[in-house]
Amino acid sequence: GESVGLHLPTLSVQEGDNSIINCAYSNSASDYFIWYKQESGKGPQFIIDIRSNMDKRQGQRVTVLLNKTVKHLSLQIAATQPGDSAVYFCAEINSGYALNFGKGTSLLVTP
Amino acid sequence: DTGVSQNPRHKITKRGQNVTFRCDPISEHNRLYWYRQTLGQGPEFLTYFQNEAQLEKSRLLSDRFSAERPKGSFSTLEIQRTEQGDSAMYLCASSLATLGETQYFGPGTRLLVL
Repeated sequence: GESVGLHLPTLSVQEGDNSIINCAYSNSASDYFIWYKQESGKGPQFIIDIRSNMDKRQGQRVTVLLNKTVKHLSLQIAATQPGDSAVYFCAEINSGYALNFGKGTSLLVTP
Repeated sequence: DTGVSQNPRHKITKRGQNVTFRCDPISEHNRLYWYRQTLGQGPEFLTYFQNEAQLEKSRLLSDRFSAERPKGSFSTLEIQRTEQGDSAMYLCASSLATLGETQYFGPGTRLLVL
């Protein structure tokens, strides 16, 4: 069935490096995508979103890229910091209002 | 704190007991959502409300689950006759009524059914 998934379950980066977290989606009708960060024991925290009529959006230290041709989404974190260590989820809305989440990528930032 | 709040944060119960969780959304948000998250997985949609109307329910929401939002503000999620498989984090989110708008999540209620 239609799904949102992540290429890598874990990602380890050194402090100060850039991080790239990837996500694939299968529903070409999806029109809204969100990246969430979830720390242990907490609810998902909104990072950045992008609509299907865009291919790039930037926030503070984060950039989301959307490639609709290959149905791929990525989150780039610049100058990764220890506080960025968390699980990152991509989520999509393709109909209605329910978010469809992938399984998540665990980002570990090492000093 | 003007974010989404959930109570209790943790709940331990015995199999067969009923439990009720509460969610207080961000004050101006008229849409409210419930999700369930098990360890190592992303959240799964359960149901959502626009104001007091429950507009969508997932197939995950069995007959033992019921959600209400009587006055269009806070919401409750009740699980009757709990089972061990109900053990999970129950997350609430809220948003404004514009298609595709951001959903902001609360801290969740972690349920453990013994």
